[in-house]
Amino acid sequence: SQTIHQWPATLVQPVGSPLSLECTVEGTSNPNLYWYRQAAGRGLQLLFYSVGIGQISSEVPQNLSASRPQDRQFILSSKKLLLSDSGFYLCAWSPEDRPTYEQYFGPGTRLTVT
Amino acid sequence: AQSVTQLDSQVPVFEEAPVELRCNYSSSVSVYLFWYVQYPNQGLQLLLKYLSGSTLVKGINGFEAEFNKSQTSFHLRKPSVHISDTAEYFCAVSEWGTGGFKTIFGAGTRLFVKA
Repeated sequence: SQTIHQWPATLVQPVGSPLSLECTVEGTSNPNLYWYRQAAGRGLQLLFYSVGIGQISSEVPQNLSASRPQDRQFILSSKKLLLSDSGFYLCAWSPEDRPTYEQYFGPGTRLTVT
Repeated sequence: AQSVTQLDSQVPVFEEAPVELRCNYSSSVSVYLFWYVQYPNQGLQLLLKYLSGSTLVKGINGFEAEFNKSQTSFHLRKPSVHISDTAEYFCAVSEWGTGGFKTIFGAGTRLFVKA
C-alpha cells in the first residue's frame, strides 16, 4: 500500500532563517506531487505541483521554492522566512495512471515563524 | 476560471441530529467533485467523490453527497452525527483546463458536534 511521510511534524523558525520541508511517498511510481499551505482559519492554497522529476509548477509567486530530486521526494524550501510563512504545510500525491483524481495527503508540518 | 464556495464557515449541531454542509462551484466544463475531512493537526482524508454516474454518492462514516448539475452544488449530508464527526470539511472541484488538470479547494466548514 502507499504511504506518504512528511517531516518535521512541527517547526519553529526565526524570521530570515532558511527552511526545508521534506515529503516522501512509498508504494507508487511517478506520482503527481503537491505542496499546499493552510493558514489559520483559511482553506488550502496550492503552492507547487510536480508531474515528474525536476518538473515543478508554481501556483503563487512568493519566497518559497520546491524541488523534486527523486521520483518520490518533494522538498519545499525558503532562503529567508517571513512571518507570513507561518501555517500548516501539507504534501499530497495523486496517481499518475489511474483516472480517479483524488489526492492523498500527508500528516502535515506546522511551521511557526517568530 | 473555476471556484468553490462553502457557504458556512462553521456549523454547530447537536449529537444525533442531521447535518448538511453546503458546497457550490462554478465551472464551464465537466468537473469531478470531492469532499475531504481534516481532523485537528492531521492531513486531509477523502470522504467521498463524484466522477460520473449516479448523482447520489455514498462515502465513509455514513456521509453522502448529491451532485446537482443545474444548481452547481455538491452538498454533504449525514442523517445522524456523532461527537467524533467534529472536524473541518473541505469541498474540492477538479477539471481539465488549458493549464492541465487542476483541483480547487473550498475554504472549509468547521463542523462542531455538541453533546
